[in-house]
Amino acid sequence: DQQVKQNSPSLSVQEGRISILNCDYTNSMFDYFLWYKKYPAEGPTFLISISSIKDKNEDGRFTVFLNKSAKHLSLHIVPSQPGDSAVYFCAASATGAGSYQLTFGKGTKLSVIP
Amino acid sequence: DSGVTQTPKHLITATGQRVTLRCSPRSGDLSVYWYQQSLDQGLQFLIQYYNGEERAKGNILERFSAQQFPDLHSELNLSSLELGDSALYFCASSGYGGQGRTDTQYFGPGTRLTVL
Repeated sequence: DQQVKQNSPSLSVQEGRISILNCDYTNSMFDYFLWYKKYPAEGPTFLISISSIKDKNEDGRFTVFLNKSAKHLSLHIVPSQPGDSAVYFCAASATGAGSYQLTFGKGTKLSVIP
Repeated sequence: DSGVTQTPKHLITATGQRVTLRCSPRSGDLSVYWYQQSLDQGLQFLIQYYNGEERAKGNILERFSAQQFPDLHSELNLSSLELGDSALYFCASSGYGGQGRTDTQYFGPGTRLTVL
């Protein structure tokens, strides 16, 4: 049973436009959410996170939105750059329940076209 | 560079053998996590250590074991290897991971294990 789902395996966006990556979760105990970026043959790189007490967190070109009632989060990248091309993973943990392990989605491959 | 180091980068071995993967966390981080990434399963949590003690277990096989040493580095031991154990193994570290605080995990570059 997949508790974190990224339903789009891939996404192509023109350089300069907005990239929107989506993630859904089913476990209501999840209260901390993170986005990681991964290049081939490298480890995941932390991008941005959000706690369940917030509905938005922004860091430069990256913004994460959390809709708890819909159990949905999204990552917005504005403007998109060719260097953003990578696989993006959504991850969640149930920190309040004492569980710090991350449950990952299967990733979305973003291609930013120059 | 996340500050988490893993050795070796690549490992090729035969079925039935035993290997040890090593991880050094970021300076000051107390928690170490191990994850496995295989082609069809994505990133799966294996085990967490916090300040030398096992804190949580995930989908870790009985043939696999881990430990965290007093200097906080960790080793993942994989024994009686099977073809299906071929995967990328990632180590991550975080500052706390056990004190009721939200905590970001930072990942190492991984060890690619190939079992022939």
